Amino acid sequence: GAVVSQHPSWVICKSGTSVKIECRSLDFQATTMFWYRQFPKQSLMLMATSNEGSKATYEQGVEKDKFLINHASLTLSTLTVTSAHPEDSSFYICSAAQPRDTHYEQYFGPGTRLTVT
Amino acid sequence: TQLLEQSPQFLSIQEGENLTVYCNSSSVFSSLQWYRQEPGEGPVLLVTVVTGGEVKKLKRLTFQFGDARKDSSLHITAAQPGDTGLYLCAGARRGSTLGRLYFGRGTQLTVWP
Repeated sequence: GAVVSQHPSWVICKSGTSVKIECRSLDFQATTMFWYRQFPKQSLMLMATSNEGSKATYEQGVEKDKFLINHASLTLSTLTVTSAHPEDSSFYICSAAQPRDTHYEQYFGPGTRLTVT
Repeated sequence: TQLLEQSPQFLSIQEGENLTVYCNSSSVFSSLQWYRQEPGEGPVLLVTVVTGGEVKKLKRLTFQFGDARKDSSLHITAAQPGDTGLYLCAGARRGSTLGRLYFGRGTQLTVWP
């Protein structure tokens, strides 16, 4: 159980275009999902918290107009990188929070490698 | 500044050796999770510790949560090349967004045959 999928697994786009990344929890419902960015050989950097039915909460320094997040259902959150530039090239990973008896656990998708040319 | 200080950042050892990775903080966590990540993939949850002083074992991996719930360690016995990867500790704090985790910087482990 607790499987999270992400699509696409990699994408190459031209500078100025927009790219949408989907994150789905396959076998559980997730009120809260998270979007991270990861640079090579570094830890995860939280970009935003996606809440079903409400606006996302962005971390300091993350442009909400550039990284649009929509959490339309309990199993799907999307991240749209608008007007992408080469500096947006990175590994983007989503996770979904699953409640347990006393805590929540995050389960991660396989990631999306974005390359902007 | 990092809420969770993870050390060492890099570890390169021979097959069969033992190792310990540490995560320390001045903050109290309601739970702490350990993940392992391979290149080009998402992190995979190894274990969650919740109770102060808790010890959990997963084959050759032993996880411990400090009594005060401010620190944790991961000990690997007789490391194997298949243990190679990025190990991440992550803690949850009371009062934070439900499910939100604070990650350490990670430990890149390489085990040579």
